[in-house]
Amino acid sequence: GQQVMQIPQYQHVQEGEDFTTYCNSSTTLSNIQWYKQRPGGHPVFLIQLVKSGEVKKQKRLTFQFGEAKKNSSLHITATQTTDVGTYFCAGPTGTALIFGKGTTLSVSS
Amino acid sequence: DTEVTQTPKHLVMGMTNKKSLKCEQHMGHRAMYWYKQKAKKPPELMFVYSYEKLSINESVPSRFSPECPNSSLLNLHLHALQPEDSALYLCASSQEKGFTEAFFGQGTRLTVV
Repeated sequence: GQQVMQIPQYQHVQEGEDFTTYCNSSTTLSNIQWYKQRPGGHPVFLIQLVKSGEVKKQKRLTFQFGEAKKNSSLHITATQTTDVGTYFCAGPTGTALIFGKGTTLSVSS
Repeated sequence: DTEVTQTPKHLVMGMTNKKSLKCEQHMGHRAMYWYKQKAKKPPELMFVYSYEKLSINESVPSRFSPECPNSSLLNLHLHALQPEDSALYLCASSQEKGFTEAFFGQGTRLTVV
């Protein structure tokens, strides 16, 4: 079945450093979505990428969708303590979302 | 209103109890989902309802029984659970199943004793 792999599993950075998480699918995706889950919270939608090679920015966050629509990345510039949490990519199967294992980001000030 | 509301927020139940989790959304979404999330793991799909009909049951044990009384409500009935069923149960909804942004509720943190 479809699998969505995500690396790294954990990342610790100093405040102000950059952070990147990578997502790879075993199959071509119609779109890819990114969610953030704060400690003790629930997943919150960040963005959806649809087009091959698409790049979208949200303030310090940059999202990319690969040309083959099988991989994606999330890059955070100059991390802040408010960026702490687990970032999940998720790909649709046609019936529901399948989540990657997530990257847990911790930030020390 | 872009909220998905889940009740209760916390639940402790014995293995012989019967309880229900409730979920409500008023965004006009036609797809609703139950996910189970264990600590430090991603959400794992359990059930998908599309237009109030069960469309996906991901081989979930029969001690979990979903119900969709109408397009705004989704229930999960629990009976004879095991301690390993302790987890965060998340309800989500989306415009249509699968392809669009999912809105998650805050979840019910379930402990089975």
